[in-house]
Amino acid sequence: DAGVTQSPTHLIKTRGQQVTLRCSPKSGHDTVSWYQQALGQGPQFIFQYYEEEERQRGNFPDRFSGHQFPNYSSELNVNALLLGDSALYLCASSLILGGEQFFGPGTRLTVL
Amino acid sequence: DQQVKQNSPSLSVQEGRISILNCDYTNSMFDYFLWYKKYPAEGPTFLISISSIKDKNEDGRFTVFLNKSAKHLSLHIVPSQPGDSAVYFCAARYFGNEKLTFGTGTRLTIIP
Repeated sequence: DAGVTQSPTHLIKTRGQQVTLRCSPKSGHDTVSWYQQALGQGPQFIFQYYEEEERQRGNFPDRFSGHQFPNYSSELNVNALLLGDSALYLCASSLILGGEQFFGPGTRLTVL
Repeated sequence: DQQVKQNSPSLSVQEGRISILNCDYTNSMFDYFLWYKKYPAEGPTFLISISSIKDKNEDGRFTVFLNKSAKHLSLHIVPSQPGDSAVYFCAARYFGNEKLTFGTGTRLTIIP
């Protein structure tokens, strides 16, 4: 049973560019949440997707957007990249209405 | 506003001894608390949780204690093993809200 998978593993972009990160949830899970983990910090909630809609959002600007597909996989898009967007981006999947969140290994984004 | 705090960035413990990791929170709405363990290049892995209706939950070598009046929880690992060396995150959420709020983590090193 594959767990949560994320791609790519690492990514280097320059300021002002746009990036798309991908996530496939654990088998049987229908909810995907995205987190940003800056160096030395804990993960910070970006948003959550369920039934292809954004269900909940954290304190992140509109430059951060997402999408969920009918097969429950998800994308995180970040526009107009800033140096401060450099972080580990974690995807977590779960069953709606509670239950443990299973995390993927993350995508390390570096903005130069 | 750091609603979940882990004031010890690092902790070193002798193998076989007890490891105690601490976490404080400020949001009284939190009613469910979790501990995650994270190895390098991997996503956080769920370890143990506790609901606010309990003050203790045990799972093998891991025990979590919750003191609601002090808004404090702790994770006890007995006995500590070399494989326990990792970063430990405390996280919290409240009913009806799947967003996890994480602390900044404590790096635990078990000395053989």
